[in-house]
Amino acid sequence: EIVLTQSPATLSLSPGERATLSCRASESVDRFLAWYQQKPGQAPRLLIYDASNRATGIPPRFSGSGSGTDFTLTISSLEPEDFAVYFCQQRSNWLFTFGPGTKVDIK
Amino acid sequence: QVQLQESGPGLVKPSETLSLSCTVSGGSITTYFWSWIRQPPGKGLEYIGYIHHGGTTNYNPSLKSRVSMSVDTSKNLFSLELTSVTAADTAVYYCARARVQYSYDSNSVWGQGTLVTVSS
Repeated sequence: EIVLTQSPATLSLSPGERATLSCRASESVDRFLAWYQQKPGQAPRLLIYDASNRATGIPPRFSGSGSGTDFTLTISSLEPEDFAVYFCQQRSNWLFTFGPGTKVDIK
Repeated sequence: QVQLQESGPGLVKPSETLSLSCTVSGGSITTYFWSWIRQPPGKGLEYIGYIHHGGTTNYNPSLKSRVSMSVDTSKNLFSLELTSVTAADTAVYYCARARVQYSYDSNSVWGQGTLVTVSS
């Protein structure tokens, strides 16, 4: 089973700052990695699929990069609504797993 | 616009079977892969498995011995059964749809989730 680790566990930033979140896979997942945002009491929302493609309706301040085992989600300038938990998800060998999440909170 | 709605008991006794359904509205259940994902209170997401309307399934190896999924195309819904539940199965259960047809892709459409508590 491919294990995903995310860092940092918590990221404390101010609105307008840049957020950089990391996701690392225990073995290569090619580019089959997605990012989700989850707010309290809500279902996750797909942000990025296949490492770097924004999902429908996602603003351009969200971007993804990486391939193989190392991936990054960047939020170029944090808006108040961006403070949430972010999960990465891989799909490889017909199986999916999620990372443990990174919480982005207000400094 | 397609919408998903989970339904089922909110309380299940230990050792019994958890049964949930996800009704798909605003679109057809055919051609897509459909997933179940759960989240224990205050914790992260765990992928349970997926099913295609044609019957193809794949389950999380850690749950495989207890999980079963099915699709009812006449009712446009799919279902989850999890046997021999314990308190560790207490979670919010989400159903979700793949982003694109014919592919076990990332999940772009989600239900609101339903809390299932395992307790006597």
